[in-house]
Formats: sequence, C-alpha cells, structure tokens
Amino acid sequence: DVKVTQSSRYLVKRTGEKVFLECVQDMDHENMFWYRQDPGLGLRLIYFSYDVKMKEKGDIPEGYSVSREKKERFSLILESASTNQTSMYLCASIKNTIYFGEGSWLTVV
Amino acid sequence: AQSVTQPDIHITVSEGASLELRCNYSYGATPYLFWYVQSPGQGLQLLLKYFSGDTLVQGIKGFEAEFKRSQSSFNLRKPSVHWSDAAEYFCAVGAYTGNQFYFGTGTSLTVIP
Repeated sequence: DVKVTQSSRYLVKRTGEKVFLECVQDMDHENMFWYRQDPGLGLRLIYFSYDVKMKEKGDIPEGYSVSREKKERFSLILESASTNQTSMYLCASIKNTIYFGEGSWLTVV
Repeated sequence: AQSVTQPDIHITVSEGASLELRCNYSYGATPYLFWYVQSPGQGLQLLLKYFSGDTLVQGIKGFEAEFKRSQSSFNLRKPSVHWSDAAEYFCAVGAYTGNQFYFGTGTSLTVIP
C-alpha cells in the first residue's frame, strides 16, 4: 500500500518561530505537493516538486519555502510563523493519483 | 480556466437514504477525475477515480460516480448511506501527468439516525 507520512500531526508554535513540516513517501514518486486546507477554501497549493532539488510555486507560496534533498522527503518551511498560517497542512505524493498524508495541524499563537 | 465546483456546501441525509453529491468541472484537456473523503482530523482518502473507459466507476465503501462529458459533471452516489459516511467529500480534476490538480471546496455530509 501507498504510504505518505507526515511526522508531526499537531504543533503549536509562537509567532516568529521557524517551523519545519516533514513529509516522507515510500513509493519512489517524483511529484510531491504541499497543500493548505482551510474551512470554506478547500485545498490550496503552496509548493510542489517534480524531482530532487526541484521546486515550483503553487497558488499561495508567500511565507513558505520548501526543501527536497532526497526523493522520498519533501519539507515545508515557515521561515517566520504568523497567526494567519494557522491551518491544516497536507502533503501529497502523486503518480496519476494523489496520495495524501494524514495532515499536520499547525497553530501559531 | 481550470476549476471544480461542488455546489452543495452541506448536505444532510437520513441513514439508509440514497445520496448524490454533485461535482462540475472546467478543464481544457481530457479530465482525470477523483473523489476523496476526509474524516475529521484525517487526511484525504481516495474513494474512486476515472481515467477512461466505462463512465460509471465503482469505488470503495459502496460509492460510485458517473462521468458525463456533455454536462462536465462527475457526481458521486451511494444507494444507502451509513452513519459512518458522515465526512467531508472533495472532487478533484487533473491531468494524467499528475502535475496539476484542482479541488472543489468540499461538501460536508451529515447523516441523521
């Protein structure tokens, strides 16, 4: 079975902190995505990556960066967390079909 | 422009009743269509997908969906809803290359006894 693992399920961070959200997939997929999910807004694409060290901006990249040093791992970085980044973050690994992780709930106080 | 519309934000049905969740899309190329379900606090689980062939596709948990090209629709159905089906449902459209996917804003399903 396909597996996408987001190691941090629930985080509480202070404004201004640097936050790392990690995502690992075990399917040798090239395409990995980070989405943000907010009530009434659905899923919005933050960044995606086609391959190691490759990254592309999605629809809402401001305030975020990403890192893909290994094929199986795609990290989302909040350089200086702000309260408007409180949200559910979903990682996905894609090959014809989207496989999602369980999500990371981030609260910034 | 590519987009997915789920016109019903919230639906309430009685347990045992039939269900239809609507999804309309706008997509420039041959669409690949998906339905996902999300239980509270969880990620999204794939219910079913349509790539080509038979326009009526069967998925997990007794769900099915029908692709109607002329109506640009991909509605999800279940003949008899169970209380455990209460969740958020998302429709998505994308390309075979998997580079871009577009999601609807979701339909929240409540099941009453």
